[in-house]
Amino acid sequence: DAGITQSPRHKVTETGTPVTLRCHQTENHRYMYWYRQDPGHGLRLIHYSYGVKDTDKGEVSDGYSVSRSKTEDFLLTLESATSSQTSVYFCAARPSGQPDQPQHFGDGTRLSIL
Amino acid sequence: GNSVTQMEGPVTLSEEAFLTINCTYTATGYPSLFWYVQYPGEGLQLLLKATKADDKGSNKGFEATYRKETTSFHLEKGSVQVSDSAVYFCALNYGGSQGNLIFGKGTKLSVKP
Repeated sequence: DAGITQSPRHKVTETGTPVTLRCHQTENHRYMYWYRQDPGHGLRLIHYSYGVKDTDKGEVSDGYSVSRSKTEDFLLTLESATSSQTSVYFCAARPSGQPDQPQHFGDGTRLSIL
Repeated sequence: GNSVTQMEGPVTLSEEAFLTINCTYTATGYPSLFWYVQYPGEGLQLLLKATKADDKGSNKGFEATYRKETTSFHLEKGSVQVSDSAVYFCALNYGGSQGNLIFGKGTKLSVKP
C-alpha cells in the first residue's frame, strides 16, 4: 500500500546502542509518520514530517530523533536505546491535501532492546 | 484535548454473527474519523472513513456512521467471517491538513467457524 517499505523488519540490540530504522516510500507522498505500537496503548505518534527537512514532534518523542533528507526516506533514530523502547514501530505516509486523506502504513519493525 | 475511546477486547464471535465495536471520541471542531484493520504480522489498512456528521463509511460489509450528537463512530457488520479476525482501530484526524491521527487502543476480534 503506497509502496512503503520498512527496514529492518526485526532487530535485537543492547541497551545503550544507537539504532536507526528506515522507512522508504515510492509514491512521493508529502507527509510521513513514525508510530510505536504497544499492548494497551494502540498506536502513538513519535514524530512526523511535512516535507523534506521539515519535521515535528508527536506524543511520545522523547529519546527519538528523525531525519528526512529526501521525499522518499524517513529515518527514525534511537540515539541510546533503552528497554522501554522495545516495541513495534510503524511508518506511514500520506499525500498532501484534504484532511480526510488516510495514512498508508508499512508492515512494521519489531525492535527488541535487551 | 482530543481522544478516542473504543471498547476493550478481545471479542469472540461465531461465524455469521453480528458485530458491533463501539468507538466514541472527544475533539474540537469537526475531525475526520477512520476505522483501520490490522491483520496478524501486518501494518494497518484503512477499512472505512467518514468526514462529516451523518456520513456513513462502508467497505467489505462493514459500516460506521459519524454521529456528532453522540460523538460516536461505531463499527458494525451484519455477518462476520473467519477472515475478519483481526485488530480494529478507531482513529480521528486532529491535525487538519497535516493529517495527524489519534488512535483508540484497538479491539481484537476472533471469529470461530
